Amino acid sequence: EDQVTQSPEALRLQEGESSSLNCSYTVSGLRGLFWYRQDPGKGPEFLFTLYSAGEEKEKERLKATLTKKESFLHITAPKPEDSATYLCAVRWYSSASKIIFGSGTRLSIRP
Amino acid sequence: DAGVIQSPRHEVTEMGQEVTLRCKPISGHNSLFWYRQTMMRGLELLIYFNNNVPIDDSGMPEDRFSAKMPNASFSTLKIQPSEPRDSAVYFCASSLNSGSGANVLTFGAGSRLTVL
Repeated sequence: EDQVTQSPEALRLQEGESSSLNCSYTVSGLRGLFWYRQDPGKGPEFLFTLYSAGEEKEKERLKATLTKKESFLHITAPKPEDSATYLCAVRWYSSASKIIFGSGTRLSIRP
Repeated sequence: DAGVIQSPRHEVTEMGQEVTLRCKPISGHNSLFWYRQTMMRGLELLIYFNNNVPIDDSGMPEDRFSAKMPNASFSTLKIQPSEPRDSAVYFCASSLNSGSGANVLTFGAGSRLTVL
């Protein structure tokens, strides 16, 4: 069964303390890997799309990377406003437009 | 564009009642997805449509759930009869399925359902 696994479930950091979130997938034929941010009471908001191993995307303090088995979301010198749940999603060639989400990482940044 | 519009935002109902959730996707988007989110199970894909046609409904929990997309600008998710375990936030999302920005989901604000 195709699976998307995110770790850790929750992460608490001090402001300015850099770290990484992990998203691993157990499938072949990746058609796209997506990162979303979700704030409480809102729908997820798109951050990045990655298509092939070695690809990297950056936005402000966030950088997403992709290997053949996993993706990392690196957060550099985070600020309290970066606190949110970060969701990873995957689409496979064999699944038409089907997009499956991981369970997310709840990130909390303390001032 | 006003984004993906969902209604109602909140619904409280009693077990056994029919619930209808509504979604208006972004104009021009040709794929529409219904997801359900709970603390225990995260964000689960229920069903998705391409060009108004249901493609995969394998995530629909049981026959009590049904979804329709009569035209490109409207979709419904119906639960009949509702049960307490259906309590969750239901999200609708839309996307293009080709070209620049393909498969980037734009989510609505969600419909929070509580079944007593």
